[in-house]
Amino acid sequence: RKEVEQDPGPFNVPEGATVAFNCTYSNSASQSFFWYRQDCRKEPKLLMSVYSSGNEDGRFTAQLNRASQYISLLIRDSKLSDSATYLCVVNPYSSASKIIFGSGTRLSIRP
Amino acid sequence: DVKVTQSSRYLVKRTGEKVFLECVQDMDHENMFWYRQDPGLGLRLIYFSYDVKMKEKGDIPEGYSVSREKKERFSLILESASTNQTSMYLCASSRGTGAKNIQYFGAGTRLSVL
Repeated sequence: RKEVEQDPGPFNVPEGATVAFNCTYSNSASQSFFWYRQDCRKEPKLLMSVYSSGNEDGRFTAQLNRASQYISLLIRDSKLSDSATYLCVVNPYSSASKIIFGSGTRLSIRP
Repeated sequence: DVKVTQSSRYLVKRTGEKVFLECVQDMDHENMFWYRQDPGLGLRLIYFSYDVKMKEKGDIPEGYSVSREKKERFSLILESASTNQTSMYLCASSRGTGAKNIQYFGAGTRLSVL
C-alpha cells in the first residue's frame, strides 16, 4: 500500500462548481499535512497547510480526519485558474525532514 | 521571497556520461532535497540533506550521489547516466521539521539521456 494515495483524476468540472479531493495516508503517527499545487510544466508550490481543526483560506478549505487517516481539500466557486494538479503531502515523522508526496489529482475547470 | 535556483532548465546527455545538477537556495534553509518526477509516479525522493556534509538516502538513491559542501548548495550527481534516468529533476529546500517543513522548489531540470 502506498504511504500517501490520491485519486489521480482528472476531475473536469464547470466554472463555479464546488469540487473536493481526498487523500489517504497509511502512517497513523503522521504529524503534519499540506496541500501543494502544481501548474503544468511548473514546480509545486504550497497551497495550504492542514491543521487538526481544519482551516480555510478564501475559497479553499482543508480538513483532517485522523480516525480515518485522510485529508481533504474543498474548492468552492472554482475558477479557470484553479486548473492544476493538487498534491497531498504528509510528514510522517515530527522530527525528520523527509516528507511524502502523493502522486497528485489533476483538476481541469471548463468555462 | 525564497529563491531556489537550478542551474539548467533542460539538459541532454549521452549514456555513460557523468552529470552534475546544481541547486542553490538563498534563504539559509537547513534542509535540501532532490526529487525526480515522472508521469504516473509523482515526486520520488532521491536524497536529502539536513546540514552541510550530511546526507540521507531517499526512496530511489541507486545511480545517484549528492554533495553538500556549503549550506546554500546541493548537487546531484549521476555517476554514469542511463536512459532510465531521463526525467524531470526538482530541487527543494525547507527550514525545520514537521509543520515547519514547507518545501520551496526550484523550476526543475528536464534531463534527457540518449
